[in-house]
Amino acid sequence: SQKIEQNSEALNIQEGKTATLTCNYTNYSPAYLQWYRQDPGRGPVFLLLIRENEKEKRKERLKVTFDTTLKQSLFHITASQPADSATYLCAREDSSASKIIFGSGTRLSIRP
Amino acid sequence: EAGVTQFPSHSVIEKGQTVTLRCDPISGHDNLYWYRRVMGKEIKFLLHFVKESKQDESGMPNNRFLAERTGGTYSTLKVQPAELEDSGVYFCASSQERVGLTGELFFGEGSRLTVL
Repeated sequence: SQKIEQNSEALNIQEGKTATLTCNYTNYSPAYLQWYRQDPGRGPVFLLLIRENEKEKRKERLKVTFDTTLKQSLFHITASQPADSATYLCAREDSSASKIIFGSGTRLSIRP
Repeated sequence: EAGVTQFPSHSVIEKGQTVTLRCDPISGHDNLYWYRRVMGKEIKFLLHFVKESKQDESGMPNNRFLAERTGGTYSTLKVQPAELEDSGVYFCASSQERVGLTGELFFGEGSRLTVL
């Protein structure tokens, strides 16, 4: 079955640095990968989608890459701020293309 | 435009009781999903409606869980009788397009269920 793995449970970095989160998937390459942000006590909020044929996508301070050879997506936040502290979830469509499945998330903490 | 709303935000019940969670999707979204996050685990898929039809209920844990979406608008998820392991946060999400196209999901804030 397809799996999404976010190996880092938590990541702590200094404000102003670039945060890099990793997402690995198994089995076949999904047509796209998604990244969501989740704050404590809130529901996930969609951030970015990157398609299989896109190497990189940017949105403001966010950048996502998709490497089908490594079966990996990297999520970068440049010039990180304490307000970026949250749990970030990687997600993919499953083989039936009927639902999105999620990784366990990486809890990012940006210290001033 | 209103987002996905869920009710109640938190429910505390005793083992063996019944709880009904409600989700109002974004108006016009035919696709409605239920997910669940239990302590320390990832958000797991429960089921998917397209309008009033169940498209995929492969994630429903057992027959103590019943989801409905009469009329293709709001949905309810009933747990009867509740067990301790049902505790967690139940999320509802909706989307305008099917997952296979763009898949962007709009989530509610979740209903936290505590079974004592």
